[in-house]
Amino acid sequence: DTAVSQTPKYLVTQMGNDKSIKCEQNLGHDTMYWYKQDSKKFLKIMFSYNNKELIINETVPNRFSPKSPDKAHLNLHINSLELGDSAVYFCASSLAGANIQYFGAGTRLSVL
Amino acid sequence: KQEVTQIPAALSVPEGENLVLNCSFTDSAIYNLQWFRQDPGKGLTSLLLIQSSQREQTSGRLNASLDKSSGRSTLYIAASQPGDSATYLCAVTGGGNKLTFGTGTQLKVEL
Repeated sequence: DTAVSQTPKYLVTQMGNDKSIKCEQNLGHDTMYWYKQDSKKFLKIMFSYNNKELIINETVPNRFSPKSPDKAHLNLHINSLELGDSAVYFCASSLAGANIQYFGAGTRLSVL
Repeated sequence: KQEVTQIPAALSVPEGENLVLNCSFTDSAIYNLQWFRQDPGKGLTSLLLIQSSQREQTSGRLNASLDKSSGRSTLYIAASQPGDSATYLCAVTGGGNKLTFGTGTQLKVEL
């Protein structure tokens, strides 16, 4: 009965490909996030959505495009993958405001 | 720009010891501070959340303190156990509910 679920858990792909990572939460939250954890384990926010609207958009290449079809889902699409995109991507959700964020288990992306 | 630093980067202690993890942040304009735990290959689990108006929070063997004016927080773990081995991350919440994470402390509790 996973609260925040991401798929796939692992993703191995070639440079130049386009891939998507899906995230769903069943906590009734209205805000969702994407974070990137690099090889040095540093976690940094990429995007956040509140009720399907973009709230935070950090300095992320426009090859990354989040899509929120409804407030329970926030998918991440990545075009023209590069070696430097290899990382673990975490989805999270919370209620609006400075509340506890609940994290998914992560998607480990390896670009070859 | 908010920067969050954690010291030490790694820590190894024998079982049963009490220990303190440190977190410092550069911008005191925060809504709250959270301590998370990350196990290898897993997501993050929130351990404690301290609102900016609070000084400390306790949960079981964990106690977190916050000194907002000096930009510091500590996580105290009492009577450490091997199951406490993990990476501990602190994060501060700023405008737009944006979490800025620290660099993490990798803890190993040995038998």
